[in-house]
Amino acid sequence: EVQLVESGGVVVHPGGSLRLSCAASGFTFDDYTMHWVRQAPGKGLEWVSLITWDGDTTNYADSVKGRFTISRDTSKNSLYLQMNSLRTEDTALYYCAKVALPFGVLIHMDYWGQGTLVTVPS
Amino acid sequence: QSALTQPASVSGSPGQSITISCTGTSSDVGGYNYVSWYQQHPGKAPKVMIYDVSQRPSGVSSRFSGSKSGNTASLTISGLHAEDEADYYCCSYAGSSTWVFGGGTKLTVL
Repeated sequence: EVQLVESGGVVVHPGGSLRLSCAASGFTFDDYTMHWVRQAPGKGLEWVSLITWDGDTTNYADSVKGRFTISRDTSKNSLYLQMNSLRTEDTALYYCAKVALPFGVLIHMDYWGQGTLVTVPS
Repeated sequence: QSALTQPASVSGSPGQSITISCTGTSSDVGGYNYVSWYQQHPGKAPKVMIYDVSQRPSGVSSRFSGSKSGNTASLTISGLHAEDEADYYCCSYAGSSTWVFGGGTKLTVL
């Protein structure tokens, strides 16, 4: 059974840093592109970042580019999101998601975790 | 990377059909056949209902269908059921390994 379990969400002051983790199981983590998607309270989904199965390609939404860094550790079957220079508008539930097929980028997300809440108070 | 445009809300009675539109640009929806639709119930993670414009994952009801014309994609739900009441989001590839979601549509089953 595919499982994605996010952790690391806390209350952090503006300008602070935080690292989110996503522990993956039930599939061959090394083979799949992974995403981070966030959802501000009461708002819609916002794509944040992507990393390919081999880690060679990463990209970010303009809203986080230069502040967030996505990475993965195949030895730990884990996905990470390093978040720096946090702003109040980064307050959201952060989901990790896997794509449906291995070794591809242009593939929809099929499994999502339950999310971890990051709060940056004003 | 502007969000795709969806109606804020739609509604229908049980048994009726509804369609949710998702308008982008030639740089996202119009440029690629990589549009997916996600259903999200309150407090739950999103679930993919349609991918690659019109493909339905295994286990998703055939009442859900997708299409695209130009820069606008559409999700149609036929024979509405009470459990279809949820938020729906479109998502499109936007080039250079980036993706963009729509603002979301709240479906109310009357």
